[in-house]
Amino acid sequence: DAKTTQPPSMDCAEGRAANLPCNHSTISGNEYVYWYRQIHSQGPQYIIHGLKNNETNEMASLIITEDRKSSTLILPHATLRDTAVYYCIVRVRDNYGQNFVFGPGTRLSVLP
Amino acid sequence: NAGVTQTPKFQVLKTGQSMTLQCAQDMNHEYMSWYRQDPGMGLRLIHYSVGAGITDQGEVPNGYNVSRSTTEDFPLRLLSAAPSQTSVYFCASSSEIIGRDTEAFFGQGTRLTVV
Repeated sequence: DAKTTQPPSMDCAEGRAANLPCNHSTISGNEYVYWYRQIHSQGPQYIIHGLKNNETNEMASLIITEDRKSSTLILPHATLRDTAVYYCIVRVRDNYGQNFVFGPGTRLSVLP
Repeated sequence: NAGVTQTPKFQVLKTGQSMTLQCAQDMNHEYMSWYRQDPGMGLRLIHYSVGAGITDQGEVPNGYNVSRSTTEDFPLRLLSAAPSQTSVYFCASSSEIIGRDTEAFFGQGTRLTVV
């Protein structure tokens, strides 16, 4: 199973871009990279996902390296409400079916 | 659209008691799952279901039972509660479309304390 490695915590100034890195060096060719976040023990919230190409939606941008061994989630203008734990997940298709394997994630603190 | 609804939001049980955590989704999703989250940790899969009448075990299934009689509902039963089952429980659902990957929708959680 492809695993991910994220820094345990990061700080970002309000209004600045937050760049959250993720390493997934054992990712398979057909596995997607997903990003979720969890705000203060609420249910995880989907942010974005991608396979090879960079992706952008109303919440964030996802930059995946050409070799797909790492990616970066970008929150272009972080606000205090973006303070959360961010999970980088490689989609696993195994005995657990369509399930997500959550690591400890990165705790992002947006500072005023 | 309510999405994924979990009840109750909070529950305190005594050791040995049984209870059922409810999960319902109104998005006609085939796939539903239960996770638990212990303090400072990520989510761990308990049980999952790929459709009505089909369930399977996840990473940490011991002490829990599930059934899936309808597409909408996926209850989680604690047979004999233990303090080690004190945790926050999340239910999730997603659409199973062959050849495509889709996002999962999570409920707001049930915070369970076993004393």
